[in-house]
Amino acid sequence: DAGVTQSPTHLIKTRGQHVTLRCSPISGHKSVSWYQQVLGQGPQFIFQYYEKEERGRGNFPDRFSARQFPNYSSELNVNALLLGDSALYLCASSLGGQAGGYTFGSGTRLTVV
Amino acid sequence: AQKITQTQPGMFVQEKEAVTLDCTYDTSDPSYGLFWYKQPSSGEMIFLIYQGSYDQQNATEGRYSLNFQKARKSANLVISASQLGDSAMYFCAMRANSGGGADGLTFGKGTHLIIQP
Repeated sequence: DAGVTQSPTHLIKTRGQHVTLRCSPISGHKSVSWYQQVLGQGPQFIFQYYEKEERGRGNFPDRFSARQFPNYSSELNVNALLLGDSALYLCASSLGGQAGGYTFGSGTRLTVV
Repeated sequence: AQKITQTQPGMFVQEKEAVTLDCTYDTSDPSYGLFWYKQPSSGEMIFLIYQGSYDQQNATEGRYSLNFQKARKSANLVISASQLGDSAMYFCAMRANSGGGADGLTFGKGTHLIIQP
């Protein structure tokens, strides 16, 4: 079975640009959550989606948005990129709610120059 | 709000020795879950072990065990018979179960474990 798939694996953007990151969860998992991990820190929660609805949001500005599609894949969008948005963005899939744990993808490493 | 504290930024351990990675947590939620993840240099977060706040016994998964002391709010990871491949970052994380866990995982800052031959 395929694990959590994230694309792209790496990308470089310029300040002020927009970026879209994609995540495909494990088959059967209905929940996707996004995390930002800056160098030397633990991941920080950005969003959680379950059954295509936003269920939780971390302390991130409105420049960050996400959505989940009918096939449970998800996109994370970041507008007006800042240098401080440079980080590893991790996607995790789970069954949803309190059921089970979280399986993470390998992440997308975003560099803003 | 939840908080995870990992007080060991880095550790050096001889191969085949046991190692304990410290984790303390803070939450007002009576129901919560505690997780440990391993992150090698490739970046992927690899799930190691889970402990629920109402679990009566400490969790074990192969060489990994979780020393759960609820009154002290600690959830230390113990790795027995360490191997060179255990060298990685290790993160302790918590999920509060109120609201169906919608607030995701709260992570600590991690411990960089290096196993020496």
